[in-house]
Amino acid sequence: DIQMTQSPSSLSASVGDRVTITCQASQAISNYINWYQQLPGKAPKLLIFDAFHLEVGVPSRFSGSGSGTDFSFTISSLQPEDFGTYYCQQYSSLPPTFGPGTKLDIK
Amino acid sequence: QVQLLQSAAEAKKPGASMKVSCKTSGYTFTNYGITWVRQAPGQGLQWMGWISTTNGDTKYAQSLQGRVTMTTDTSTSTAYLELRSLRSDDTALYFCATSIIPLAGAGYWGQGTLVTVSS
Repeated sequence: DIQMTQSPSSLSASVGDRVTITCQASQAISNYINWYQQLPGKAPKLLIFDAFHLEVGVPSRFSGSGSGTDFSFTISSLQPEDFGTYYCQQYSSLPPTFGPGTKLDIK
Repeated sequence: QVQLLQSAAEAKKPGASMKVSCKTSGYTFTNYGITWVRQAPGQGLQWMGWISTTNGDTKYAQSLQGRVTMTTDTSTSTAYLELRSLRSDDTALYFCATSIIPLAGAGYWGQGTLVTVSS
């Protein structure tokens, strides 16, 4: 299975801050990576697919980049509704595997 | 609007079986496959498998092979997850979600079903 590592595991930030989360795959996955947001007590929500494509309705403050093994996810200006946990997921090969998550909370 | 409504929480004894349902609405059921993902308390996400809603083809996580069965009922637009020989480490929140193919993002999600396995 392809292993996904994420950093940081947790992050404290303030409204208006720019934050970046990185994800590394244990082998090259081209651009087959999704990013999900999970708010407390809620189901995950797909934000970005194919490394940088925004799902319909997702605000443009969210962005993704990378290819191969190294990827990043950025929120350009944190909003109060953005605090939660973010997961990367590779879908280059079965089984699709998730990173361990990055918990983003309010400083 | 697309909705995936999952069955209520369950409490099970070790060794028992569970069956979670995921009733969909707001779209043509056979347009998307169904992915199942679980999340142990305070933990991350684990992909369990995927089922085609057109031909019933399945892909299961190797770690669950032999204990898991995913099925669908196209007449009611409902997907089912069955897990047998339950252990305490199967205690988790189980989610269904739509995915066109196994290797794709999961766009629409159910609200989750908590299954607790305890003696």
